[in-house]
Amino acid sequence: DQQVKQNSPSLSVQEGRISILNCDYTNSMFDYFLWYKKYPAEGPTFLISISSIKDKNEDGRFTVFLNKSAKHLSLHIVPSQPGDSAVYFCAAKETSGSRLTFGEGTQLTVNP
Amino acid sequence: EAQVTQNPRYLITVTGKKLTVTCSQNMNHEYMSWYRQDPGLGLRQIYYSMNVEVTDKGDVPEGYKVSRKEKRNFPLILESPSPNQTSLYFCASSLSWSRSYNEQFFGPGTRLTVL
Repeated sequence: DQQVKQNSPSLSVQEGRISILNCDYTNSMFDYFLWYKKYPAEGPTFLISISSIKDKNEDGRFTVFLNKSAKHLSLHIVPSQPGDSAVYFCAAKETSGSRLTFGEGTQLTVNP
Repeated sequence: EAQVTQNPRYLITVTGKKLTVTCSQNMNHEYMSWYRQDPGLGLRQIYYSMNVEVTDKGDVPEGYKVSRKEKRNFPLILESPSPNQTSLYFCASSLSWSRSYNEQFFGPGTRLTVL
């Protein structure tokens, strides 16, 4: 039972364009969402998060949007840079839960 | 430097030979966790610990054991490894488990192959 799903295993974009990574969830008890970035041979690193009381959170080139009614969140990267090429994981946490549930990950490739 | 360290980084072993993967953090974090990453399945939690002497099962605990005798260390034990435990393992820690501290810091990973 995959409660957090990233349906696109891979995404390729041109440098300077927008990258949009999507994530869907099924558990209505999730109230906090995070995105992690992972380079090869390294552990995931935290990128950006959003609470369910918000529908948007920005941090520089990165913006996360949350649509609670659709149980959908997305990560926008503008403008995309070659150094953004990595695997991106979305993760979710329940209100009273004690752990994060991760999606399968999306490999983003930004071409120069 | 604040970090989570794991050892070994790479390990090839045989079925049934007990092994331990160590994890240590120097940030005085209360919460620690182990994940495995498999293709198409993302990161799945194995075990977690809210504090010293407090551990609990994650999503895929079968075949694994953990202990938390000290705050900084959280070893992962495979008593009798099997080939289906071949995976990439990550240890992670966070300051505490609350609404304010959801960011987890990950170690560099341990690539385990069980023949």
